[in-house]
Amino acid sequence: EVQLVESGGGLVKPGGSLRLSCAVSGFTFSTAWMSWVRPAPGKGLEWVGRIKSRGSGGTIDYVAPVKDRFTISRDDSKTTLYLQMDSLKTEDTAVYYCLWYYYGYFPYWGQGTLVTVSS
Amino acid sequence: EIVLTQSPGTLSLSPGERATLSCRASQSVSSSYLAWYQQKPGQAPRLLIYGASTRATGIPDRFSGSGSGTDFTLTVSRLEPEDFAVYYCQHYASTPLTFGGGTKVEIK
Repeated sequence: EVQLVESGGGLVKPGGSLRLSCAVSGFTFSTAWMSWVRPAPGKGLEWVGRIKSRGSGGTIDYVAPVKDRFTISRDDSKTTLYLQMDSLKTEDTAVYYCLWYYYGYFPYWGQGTLVTVSS
Repeated sequence: EIVLTQSPGTLSLSPGERATLSCRASQSVSSSYLAWYQQKPGQAPRLLIYGASTRATGIPDRFSGSGSGTDFTLTVSRLEPEDFAVYYCQHYASTPLTFGGGTKVEIK
């Protein structure tokens, strides 16, 4: 059974940092491409970014609003995905979902972790 | 960036009726790399359709997807009580991946 368990969310002040983790099981993490997605006010859902597997070059792509502030990384030995969020803004407030980038669509969703950016 | 526009914003229907949801792309979505999701309050989205018309595992056949190029449609042939939710389309033809703004299907 595929499981994606996000953690690390919480309340942080504007300008602060937070690191989210996603523990993965049920599929071969080392060969999987992974993504983060969040709801965005007025935009439905927003794809935050993607990290390819090491075998595919490990390339990382981000959506423009988070580029240079967020960093996606992975630890294949721990089957864990990370999202380091710096210089947080109030508009980053959302539930963050870690997803298996399965050919570009997302068949498996965890429960997400809530990030609240507020003073 | 491919912008996806969903219409209508809200659809008010009764159980048993047919729902037709539209997703229009700002440029052609190659190889029909388009997916549909359903989201209920307090829950994560659930994949319904990928490849524009292929139902995901366990999705009832009252859900169907169609379209190509820039115009895509999700149809629910006969609405069941559990189908009242928000529906999103998503393209995966190129990065950045984008989602539509959603269509809420509510009980009339």
